[in-house]
Amino acid sequence: KAGVTQTPRYLIKTRGQQVTLSCSPISGHRSVSWYQQTPGQGLQFLFEYFSETQRNKGNFPGRFSGRQFSNSRSEMNVSTLELGDSALYLCASSPRQGNEKLFFGSGTQLSVL
Amino acid sequence: GIQVEQSPPDLILQEGANSTLRCNFSDSVNNLQWFHQNPWGQLINLFYIPSGTKQNGRLSATTVATERYSLLYISSSQTTDSGVYFCAVEGFFTGGGNKLTFGTGTQLKVEL
Repeated sequence: KAGVTQTPRYLIKTRGQQVTLSCSPISGHRSVSWYQQTPGQGLQFLFEYFSETQRNKGNFPGRFSGRQFSNSRSEMNVSTLELGDSALYLCASSPRQGNEKLFFGSGTQLSVL
Repeated sequence: GIQVEQSPPDLILQEGANSTLRCNFSDSVNNLQWFHQNPWGQLINLFYIPSGTKQNGRLSATTVATERYSLLYISSSQTTDSGVYFCAVEGFFTGGGNKLTFGTGTQLKVEL
C-alpha cells in the first residue's frame, strides 16, 4: 500500500504570492490533517478534513485554507505569503475521524523569499 | 490548551546503550502517539498509546494516563535510531478528531 504522498517536495516563492500544496492519503483513509513545522514554533496543527468537511482548525490566520475532494485527496492554500510562512508542511492521514494512528507524508518544504 | 513537555531535550548515546524518553502532559488525553523524525524530515509513527504498554522490537512505550506521562524506551540503540522523537497528544475535551499537540521533541544522536 502506498504511503501518504505530498507534492511538491520543495517550493520557493516570493512574498505576496500564493501557493497550493497537495496531499494524497493512504488508500482507504478518509481523514487528512495538515501541520506546519518551523524551528521556532515546532509542529503546529493547521486543520483536519474528513469526508470533505473541515472538522478542526488550528490557530492560523485566514490566509491558510484547505479543502478535501471526494477521493479524500486534500489541498492546502496559503495566500499573500509572508517570510514567516517558510516551513515544512506535513500532511497526515488516518482511516477514520480520530483516536487512531496518524501516518505522515514526507512534507513540502516551502521557502518564502 | 494542553501542554506537552518532553525530556531530555538532547541525548547522545553510544551504540548499544539503552535510553528512556519522557513525555509529560497537562490534562487528560484520549490520544497519545510517539513519532520519530528522521534526518530527511519524515515522521514515522512508532506507537499509538493513550494508555498501557506496547512493544515493537527494540522499542517499547508505557503511558500512565492517571499520572499524565508517557515513556519511550529504546534498547540496544543503533545509529539509525538517531533523529528527533516527538510525543503528541489530543486532550480529552477537544471533541475528537486528529488535532494533535506536539511536544518540542528529544534530539537523539547515537554514535559508534
